[in-house]
Amino acid sequence: RKEVEQDPGPFNVPEGATVAFNCTYSNSASQSFFWYRQDCRKEPKLLMSVYSSGNEDGRFTAQLNRASQYISLLIRDSKLSDSATYLCVVNPGGSQGNLIFGKGTKLSVKP
Amino acid sequence: GAGVSQSPRYKVAKRGQDVALRCDPISGHVSLFWYQQALGQGPEFLTYFQNEAQLDKSGLPSDRFFAERPEGSVSTLKIQRTQQEDSAVYLCASSLSGYGYTFGSGTRLTVV
Repeated sequence: RKEVEQDPGPFNVPEGATVAFNCTYSNSASQSFFWYRQDCRKEPKLLMSVYSSGNEDGRFTAQLNRASQYISLLIRDSKLSDSATYLCVVNPGGSQGNLIFGKGTKLSVKP
Repeated sequence: GAGVSQSPRYKVAKRGQDVALRCDPISGHVSLFWYQQALGQGPEFLTYFQNEAQLDKSGLPSDRFFAERPEGSVSTLKIQRTQQEDSAVYLCASSLSGYGYTFGSGTRLTVV
């Protein structure tokens, strides 16, 4: 079983739609969690950290369920510019450890 | 510098050739990471430095891969006797405190 698993998609949605991505991780001792965004042929960039209490950044909401080892990302009112691959990322070892990436979920927002 | 700089951006190597990929992290960043990203996959961890010390090299796929950071700033990833399966984007990331990783644009290696 891979350490971080996510549905590769693609998710094809119209502008204005709400879309949700899910991710599961295998290491129950994992310390911190993130969503990264990667545009085609570009480097990954941090979208947001994920906390157990849930956190929101504009149209983006991230949630963590430690008991189920499950992370989610909700995007409301999708924009064309949201089209990208969304990577679920886990840091298993605290602040100095390496990041473990999922394969990514591809989102395509259509006019 | 303002960001993480990697060179070259693109490298085509003949099978069996040695290559060296360079990463210049953000000035003052203690932690430096190398990742390998194959087409359609997420980045896979290769190795991690804290200053000049290589603390984790568990992700290096074979003894053909070697990384160094001799003065705790610039790092070089060397691949000896390249194989076709080494074709990938090699990403470098740096971090000041362990949070807030910044990635470079990567080196796209194609082995022919």
